[in-house]
Amino acid sequence: GAVVSQHPSWVICKSGTSVKIECRSLDFQATTMFWYRQFPKQSLMLMATSNEGSKATYEQGVEKDKFLINHASLTLSTLTVTSAHPEDSSFYICSARPPGQSPYEQYFGPGTRLTVT
Amino acid sequence: QKEVEQDPGPLSVPEGAIVSLNCTYSNSAFQYFMWYRQYSRKGPELLMYTYSSGNKEDGRFTAQVDKSSKYISLFIRDSQPSDSATYLCAMSTSGTYKYIFGTGTRLKVLA
Repeated sequence: GAVVSQHPSWVICKSGTSVKIECRSLDFQATTMFWYRQFPKQSLMLMATSNEGSKATYEQGVEKDKFLINHASLTLSTLTVTSAHPEDSSFYICSARPPGQSPYEQYFGPGTRLTVT
Repeated sequence: QKEVEQDPGPLSVPEGAIVSLNCTYSNSAFQYFMWYRQYSRKGPELLMYTYSSGNKEDGRFTAQVDKSSKYISLFIRDSQPSDSATYLCAMSTSGTYKYIFGTGTRLKVLA
């Protein structure tokens, strides 16, 4: 099956610093990747849709200047949380979609737990 | 009102029981319905998917969609302790790949 990895799996950073999270599709090319955020006991909330070679599309209420997304290649998308604050502490999950597949062909990474102190 | 509603549980059942997990939704444009299993601090894993209405069976799992009632279900037969996890429903409209997730139901199967 398709495998998506994320790095790091967890990170602790100080308030005001920036953190980069990588999402890689290991055995397929992903034209589209998605970034989600999940707070404890809450649902996954889509933050943005990332298409290779173009600007990401952000969901309403998500600050594009704070959450920088770069989909530099068909196997790599990065999410940079800039000037992180404690309220940004969350579980960030990416997913990747192989081209030409149905909407349910979306594979999720294992997630990155971010703690901002 | 949320687009997708799901009882967060927790739901505790004895081993071997039949488990019924449900979601309701308000957007009649949803066409794709998925069920994911998520273990603690892990990413979601796709269990079942259904397009439009009907039933789908895969081993111990059965997914049902009733579009007239805007209601979907996942049944787990002969539940095992290893089924203990959070089960998330997700939905999508045709032509988009944007998933709307339920909050997830925590299931605990007791040995």
